[in-house]
Amino acid sequence: SQTIHQWPATLVQPVGSPLSLECTVEGTSNPNLYWYRQAAGRGLQLLFYSVGIGQISSEVPQNLSASRPQDRQFILSSKKLLLSDSGFYLCAWTSSPVGETQYFGPGTRLLVL
Amino acid sequence: SQELEQSPQSLIVQEGKNLTINCTSSKTLYGLYWYKQKYGEGLIFLMMLQKGGEEKSHEKITAKLDEKKQQSSLHITASQPSHAGIYLCGAGYAGGTSYGKLTFGQGTILTVHP
Repeated sequence: SQTIHQWPATLVQPVGSPLSLECTVEGTSNPNLYWYRQAAGRGLQLLFYSVGIGQISSEVPQNLSASRPQDRQFILSSKKLLLSDSGFYLCAWTSSPVGETQYFGPGTRLLVL
Repeated sequence: SQELEQSPQSLIVQEGKNLTINCTSSKTLYGLYWYKQKYGEGLIFLMMLQKGGEEKSHEKITAKLDEKKQQSSLHITASQPSHAGIYLCGAGYAGGTSYGKLTFGQGTILTVHP
């Protein structure tokens, strides 16, 4: 069966420090991968999605970037964190093609101080 | 305005009561997904609806999609404390560049008092 992992689970970082959040999927190949941010435990905002290695699409302009160095690995990064980057970050995957259910990881809570 | 509106924003019910959460789209849906989330955790997939008029049930939770494929409801019968959490609807819209992306509603916080 497929599983999705995220780490770290919680992170407290000072303003201006770099960020690297990792997401990996097991038990499937060539998944579509997604990064979401959830503020105040409510709706999700799609940040990035990827349909293949090295293919990244950004949904909103921001201080963050994403990379997909391997088929089942998705990384969210920042060179210098802002206070507004605080939130709950969720990674999700779906199998191609369009219309399949997205399955979510456990999330990473980021607090920027 | 929001592409996907979810209501109510929060709901407090007594254990054993029925409740309904609504999700309305400003345009025709390709698919509608319901998720549940415990605070600080990932989303758990509940059900997916794709056909107009479709209805699915799992245990005491029933989800429906209207014929026009723009509105969905999630109904919980005889609520229990284990039903408490945040319920989110996610909408997929057909299109060549959709790539399986979902647009989410703002969520409904459900509290069930014993």
